[in-house]
Amino acid sequence: GAGVSQSPSNKVTEKGKDVELRCDPISGHTALYWYRQSLGQGLEFLIYFQGNSAPDKSGLPSDRFSAERTGGSVSTLTIQRTQQEDSAVYLCASSLEGGTLREQFFGPGTRLTVL
Amino acid sequence: QKEVEQNSGPLSVPEGAIASLNCTYSDRGSQSFFWYRQYSGKSPELIMFIYSNGDKEDGRFTAQLNKASQYVSLLIRDSQPSDSATYLCAVRSGNTPLVFGKGTRLSVIA
Repeated sequence: GAGVSQSPSNKVTEKGKDVELRCDPISGHTALYWYRQSLGQGLEFLIYFQGNSAPDKSGLPSDRFSAERTGGSVSTLTIQRTQQEDSAVYLCASSLEGGTLREQFFGPGTRLTVL
Repeated sequence: QKEVEQNSGPLSVPEGAIASLNCTYSDRGSQSFFWYRQYSGKSPELIMFIYSNGDKEDGRFTAQLNKASQYVSLLIRDSQPSDSATYLCAVRSGNTPLVFGKGTRLSVIA
Protein backbone atom coordinates (compact mmCIF):
# COMPACT_ATOMS: atom_id res chain seq x y z
CA GLY A 1 0.00 0.00 0.00
CA ALA A 2 0.95 3.64 -0.29
CA GLY A 3 1.09 4.36 3.41
CA VAL A 4 0.87 2.90 6.88
CA SER A 5 -2.52 1.34 7.54
CA GLN A 6 -4.11 0.50 10.84
CA SER A 7 -7.19 -1.43 11.82
CA PRO A 8 -9.70 -1.05 13.20
CA SER A 9 -10.09 2.71 12.92
CA ASN A 10 -12.33 2.73 15.98
CA LYS A 11 -12.73 0.19 18.75
CA VAL A 12 -15.16 0.37 21.64
CA THR A 13 -14.76 -2.26 24.29
CA GLU A 14 -15.83 -3.00 27.82
CA LYS A 15 -13.49 -2.76 30.76
CA GLY A 16 -11.72 -6.06 31.34
CA LYS A 17 -11.85 -7.26 27.74
CA ASP A 18 -8.78 -7.88 25.58
CA VAL A 19 -8.21 -5.94 22.34
CA GLU A 20 -5.89 -6.36 19.37
CA LEU A 21 -4.79 -3.48 17.19
CA ARG A 22 -3.15 -4.08 13.84
CA CYS A 23 -0.55 -2.11 11.90
CA ASP A 24 0.60 -2.66 8.31
CA PRO A 25 3.77 -0.63 7.72
CA ILE A 26 4.95 0.74 4.41
CA SER A 27 6.45 -2.06 2.35
CA GLY A 28 10.20 -2.27 2.84
CA HIS A 29 10.24 -0.31 6.08
CA THR A 30 12.23 -2.21 8.67
CA ALA A 31 11.50 0.00 11.67
CA LEU A 32 8.04 0.06 13.27
CA TYR A 33 6.87 2.11 16.23
CA TRP A 34 3.76 2.18 18.39
CA TYR A 35 2.69 5.37 20.16
CA ARG A 36 -0.31 6.33 22.26
CA GLN A 37 -1.95 9.76 22.25
CA SER A 38 -4.44 10.62 24.96
CA LEU A 39 -6.80 13.57 24.60
CA GLY A 40 -4.84 16.81 24.57
CA GLN A 41 -1.55 15.02 25.13
CA GLY A 42 1.55 14.44 23.06
CA LEU A 43 2.60 11.11 21.67
CA GLU A 44 3.75 8.56 24.23
CA PHE A 45 6.20 5.97 22.93
CA LEU A 46 5.19 2.37 23.59
CA ILE A 47 7.40 -0.06 21.65
CA TYR A 48 9.87 -0.11 18.74
CA PHE A 49 10.81 -2.91 16.36
CA GLN A 50 13.93 -2.70 14.19
CA GLY A 51 14.58 -5.56 11.78
CA ASN A 52 15.43 -8.78 13.58
CA SER A 53 16.67 -7.06 16.73
CA ALA A 54 14.93 -7.51 20.05
CA PRO A 55 12.18 -4.90 20.36
CA ASP A 56 12.57 -1.87 22.62
CA LYS A 57 9.67 -2.33 25.04
CA SER A 58 10.71 0.42 27.42
CA GLY A 59 7.58 2.47 26.84
CA LEU A 60 4.97 -0.17 27.57
CA PRO A 61 2.99 1.13 30.57
CA SER A 62 2.20 -2.25 32.14
CA ASP A 63 2.43 -5.98 31.54
CA ARG A 64 -1.11 -5.86 30.13
CA PHE A 65 0.43 -4.42 26.98
CA SER A 66 2.34 -6.55 24.49
CA ALA A 67 3.20 -6.37 20.81
CA GLU A 68 4.61 -8.61 18.19
CA ARG A 69 5.77 -8.23 14.64
CA THR A 70 5.46 -11.24 12.40
CA GLY A 71 7.72 -11.74 9.40
CA GLY A 72 9.21 -8.32 9.83
CA SER A 73 6.07 -6.68 8.53
CA VAL A 74 2.64 -6.60 10.19
CA SER A 75 2.50 -5.77 13.88
CA THR A 76 -0.19 -6.41 16.47
CA LEU A 77 -0.52 -4.50 19.73
CA THR A 78 -2.48 -6.42 22.36
CA ILE A 79 -3.99 -4.91 25.47
CA GLN A 80 -5.26 -7.41 28.00
CA ARG A 81 -7.91 -6.69 30.63
CA THR A 82 -8.47 -3.17 29.31
CA GLN A 83 -8.97 -0.29 31.73
CA GLN A 84 -10.67 3.06 31.16
CA GLU A 85 -7.30 4.82 31.28
CA ASP A 86 -6.28 2.82 28.20
CA SER A 87 -8.69 4.93 26.15
CA ALA A 88 -6.60 6.83 23.60
CA VAL A 89 -5.60 6.94 19.96
CA TYR A 90 -2.98 4.31 19.22
CA LEU A 91 -0.66 5.36 16.39
CA CYS A 92 1.71 3.20 14.45
CA ALA A 93 4.62 4.58 12.44
CA SER A 94 7.25 3.05 10.21
CA SER A 95 10.54 4.15 8.71
CA LEU A 96 13.10 2.73 6.30
CA GLU A 97 15.35 1.92 9.22
CA GLY A 98 15.98 3.18 12.68
CA GLY A 99 18.55 5.78 11.65
CA THR A 100 18.65 9.15 13.38
CA LEU A 101 17.23 11.16 10.51
CA ARG A 102 14.86 8.61 9.07
CA GLU A 103 11.39 10.06 8.71
CA GLN A 104 8.66 8.19 10.52
CA PHE A 105 5.43 7.91 8.57
CA PHE A 106 2.34 7.64 10.72
CA GLY A 107 -0.78 5.61 10.14
CA PRO A 108 -4.27 7.04 10.72
CA GLY A 109 -4.48 5.54 14.20
CA THR A 110 -6.96 3.39 16.09
CA ARG A 111 -9.24 5.24 18.50
CA LEU A 112 -9.81 2.95 21.48
CA THR A 113 -12.62 3.65 23.90
CA VAL A 114 -12.92 1.54 27.03
CA LEU A 115 -16.31 1.82 28.70
CA GLN B 1 13.69 11.10 32.08
CA LYS B 2 13.97 12.75 28.68
CA GLU B 3 11.55 15.63 28.40
CA VAL B 4 10.41 17.90 25.62
CA GLU B 5 8.52 21.02 26.64
CA GLN B 6 6.20 23.12 24.52
CA ASN B 7 3.73 25.86 25.34
CA SER B 8 0.32 24.30 24.77
CA GLY B 9 -1.18 27.52 23.41
CA PRO B 10 -3.36 28.32 21.70
CA LEU B 11 -1.10 30.65 19.81
CA SER B 12 -3.22 33.00 17.74
CA VAL B 13 -1.70 34.99 14.88
CA PRO B 14 -3.34 37.03 12.10
CA GLU B 15 -3.16 35.80 8.54
CA GLY B 16 0.09 36.88 6.90
CA ALA B 17 2.01 37.22 10.17
CA ILE B 18 4.94 35.14 11.38
CA ALA B 19 4.10 32.35 13.80
CA SER B 20 6.88 31.38 16.20
CA LEU B 21 6.71 28.00 17.91
CA ASN B 22 9.20 27.08 20.60
CA CYS B 23 10.47 23.87 22.16
CA THR B 24 13.03 23.02 24.84
CA TYR B 25 14.48 19.60 25.60
CA SER B 26 16.26 18.10 28.56
CA ASP B 27 18.60 15.51 27.01
CA ARG B 28 21.89 17.14 25.98
CA GLY B 29 22.66 14.00 23.95
CA SER B 30 19.79 14.71 21.57
CA GLN B 31 21.02 14.71 18.00
CA SER B 32 18.07 15.24 15.73
CA PHE B 33 15.02 17.42 16.02
CA PHE B 34 11.72 17.17 14.22
CA TRP B 35 8.62 19.29 13.77
CA TYR B 36 5.37 17.50 13.02
CA ARG B 37 2.04 19.08 12.15
CA GLN B 38 -1.15 17.40 13.32
CA TYR B 39 -4.58 18.49 12.16
CA SER B 40 -7.46 17.73 14.47
CA GLY B 41 -8.41 14.06 14.25
CA LYS B 42 -5.52 13.27 11.91
CA SER B 43 -2.13 11.66 12.34
CA PRO B 44 1.09 13.69 12.56
CA GLU B 45 2.98 14.57 9.40
CA LEU B 46 6.60 15.65 9.24
CA ILE B 47 7.28 19.27 8.32
CA MET B 48 11.00 19.59 8.94
CA PHE B 49 13.96 18.09 10.70
CA ILE B 50 17.20 19.74 11.77
CA TYR B 51 20.38 18.41 13.34
CA SER B 52 22.93 21.24 13.07
CA ASN B 53 23.00 24.47 15.03
CA GLY B 54 21.56 27.39 13.12
CA ASP B 55 18.68 27.84 10.73
CA LYS B 56 17.19 25.56 8.12
CA GLU B 57 14.67 26.97 5.67
CA ASP B 58 12.08 25.16 3.58
CA GLY B 59 9.57 27.37 1.83
CA ARG B 60 7.60 29.33 4.44
CA PHE B 61 9.07 27.25 7.27
CA THR B 62 12.33 27.86 9.13
CA ALA B 63 13.63 25.60 11.88
CA GLN B 64 16.15 27.04 14.30
CA LEU B 65 18.37 24.99 16.60
CA ASN B 66 20.52 26.11 19.52
CA LYS B 67 22.06 23.07 21.20
CA ALA B 68 23.84 25.12 23.86
CA SER B 69 20.47 26.44 25.04
CA GLN B 70 18.70 23.15 24.28
CA TYR B 71 16.17 25.05 22.26
CA VAL B 72 14.56 24.47 18.90
CA SER B 73 11.96 26.63 17.20
CA LEU B 74 9.80 26.69 14.10
CA LEU B 75 8.92 29.90 12.29
CA ILE B 76 6.06 30.00 9.83
CA ARG B 77 6.12 33.04 7.56
CA ASP B 78 3.05 34.44 5.84
CA SER B 79 0.80 32.31 8.06
CA GLN B 80 -2.34 30.96 6.42
CA PRO B 81 -5.57 29.70 7.98
CA SER B 82 -4.63 26.27 6.62
CA ASP B 83 -1.60 26.32 8.96
CA SER B 84 -3.98 26.12 11.93
CA ALA B 85 -3.06 22.84 13.62
CA THR B 86 -1.13 21.42 16.54
CA TYR B 87 2.63 21.44 16.05
CA LEU B 88 4.59 18.70 17.76
CA CYS B 89 8.28 18.97 18.55
CA ALA B 90 10.19 15.69 18.76
CA VAL B 91 13.81 14.91 19.59
CA ARG B 92 15.97 11.87 19.17
CA SER B 93 19.41 10.66 20.18
CA GLY B 94 20.96 7.97 18.01
CA ASN B 95 18.53 5.21 17.13
CA THR B 96 16.28 5.71 20.12
CA PRO B 97 12.58 6.38 19.56
CA LEU B 98 11.37 9.95 19.18
CA VAL B 99 10.42 11.81 22.35
CA PHE B 100 7.51 14.15 21.66
CA GLY B 101 6.34 17.30 23.34
CA LYS B 102 2.64 17.77 23.99
CA GLY B 103 2.33 20.18 21.10
CA THR B 104 1.40 23.81 20.55
CA ARG B 105 -1.98 24.61 19.07
CA LEU B 106 -1.71 27.32 16.40
CA SER B 107 -4.69 29.30 15.22
CA VAL B 108 -4.28 31.59 12.20
CA ILE B 109 -7.06 34.15 12.08
CA ALA B 110 -8.26 35.28 8.64
